[in-house]
Amino acid sequence: GQNIDQPTEMTATEGAIVQINCTYQTSGFNGLFWYQQHAGEAPTFLSYNVLDGLEEKGRFSSFLSRSKGYSYLLLKELQMKDSASYLCAAMDSNYQLIWGAGTKLIIKP
Amino acid sequence: GAVVSQHPSWVICKSGTSVKIECRSLDFQATTMFWYRQFPKQSLMLMATSNEGSKATYEQGVEKDKFLINHASLTLSTLTVTSAHPEDSSFYICSATAGGGHTDTQYFGPGTRLTVL
Repeated sequence: GQNIDQPTEMTATEGAIVQINCTYQTSGFNGLFWYQQHAGEAPTFLSYNVLDGLEEKGRFSSFLSRSKGYSYLLLKELQMKDSASYLCAAMDSNYQLIWGAGTKLIIKP
Repeated sequence: GAVVSQHPSWVICKSGTSVKIECRSLDFQATTMFWYRQFPKQSLMLMATSNEGSKATYEQGVEKDKFLINHASLTLSTLTVTSAHPEDSSFYICSATAGGGHTDTQYFGPGTRLTVL
């Protein structure tokens, strides 16, 4: 079956760095997305990786290893506003997005 | 760019009534629109995919006669929850893609919170 695993909750300190991991098993693979979702709001797009490696976009970076079925989202210089759920979604061979349950990130002062 | 709006943002209705939710792409033409529902503390659940001018493709387990989807134009899709019941109470979110590529980024609307009494 198809499956996405990511931690349920993580806690980090303001100003620090946090890495949110995601592993996936899908029938075929057409890329991996990361979305941010604040409580009670819809998700917003953060990143898309389809090739192996690290893509940096400001304070946020996303990494993909296709051979390992693994991705991570790296958040630097954490700010209180980064407190949110982070959703990992893998696209399978039918271009369907398989969604993870999300990682709730709690930032402490 | 790539702004998607939804209306209404929240709605309370009585059991047995129908509710229509609109999803609009404001600054681009949406070739494909998606409808999701999300229960508290759970991930997004895809309900259906719609392309302009054609019938929506529903996911397994989603009743197409209960959740009517109309994608009348390249900027508007509507979801009508017919004969709503309390178990239909949920957060409904639409998303849209701009290009014709399968891996195009989905841009989400702000969501509609439906409460059925």
